[in-house]
Amino acid sequence: EADIYQTPRYLVIGTGKKITLECSQTMGHDKMYWYQQDPGMELHLIHYSYGVNSTEKGDLSSESTVSRIRTEHFPLTLESARPSHTSQYLCASSETLAGGTEQYFGPGTRLTVT
Amino acid sequence: GQNIDQPTEMTATEGAIVQINCTYQTSGFNGLFWYQQHAGEAPTFLSYNVLDGLEEKGRFSSFLSRSKGYSYLLLKELQMKDSASYLCAVRLNTDKLIFGTGTRLQVFP
Repeated sequence: EADIYQTPRYLVIGTGKKITLECSQTMGHDKMYWYQQDPGMELHLIHYSYGVNSTEKGDLSSESTVSRIRTEHFPLTLESARPSHTSQYLCASSETLAGGTEQYFGPGTRLTVT
Repeated sequence: GQNIDQPTEMTATEGAIVQINCTYQTSGFNGLFWYQQHAGEAPTFLSYNVLDGLEEKGRFSSFLSRSKGYSYLLLKELQMKDSASYLCAVRLNTDKLIFGTGTRLQVFP
């Protein structure tokens, strides 16, 4: 059973606010990822990390930032939320093994910016 | 660019067999994943193919042909709880996953 947690699960916030979406995993995985998914659409990678102090931007341009100070923690921050940021944000993690392994997903944060 | 194609929607009857196809054209290939995603929930892992052939896991099987850029997910003995979206995802050589839009499967009694 995957142990990856996201908080909050749901968030409604006004335009211009700063928000941080939390993601933690207890599996000791080196690799962590943030995806954005609109209803009925594909997941888009917005950030990823291959270890502590390592962060990279994904394929979808995003105004968010991430940090990876501890292996288990990979928070995502929006400095100034806008209605266009309304979406579901999914965090995932995976092990570093030869041949790779599957990504385990957290339950997601559904963000609405009014 | 990266391109992954899946049918948008499929319907089937409880107890039947359904095959969900996925074709891909990507810059690099390091395996193909299938995930199941119920509405409003996170994706959960179903199968992984890196070599050509069929991988069977209970009621679910997945097939890969790398030369054709093609995979399918086969679901047998369908149950109502199998109603969900099924996501095809290709892992690139960089270890990132590229997802298709998913196939929404509805199972009817």
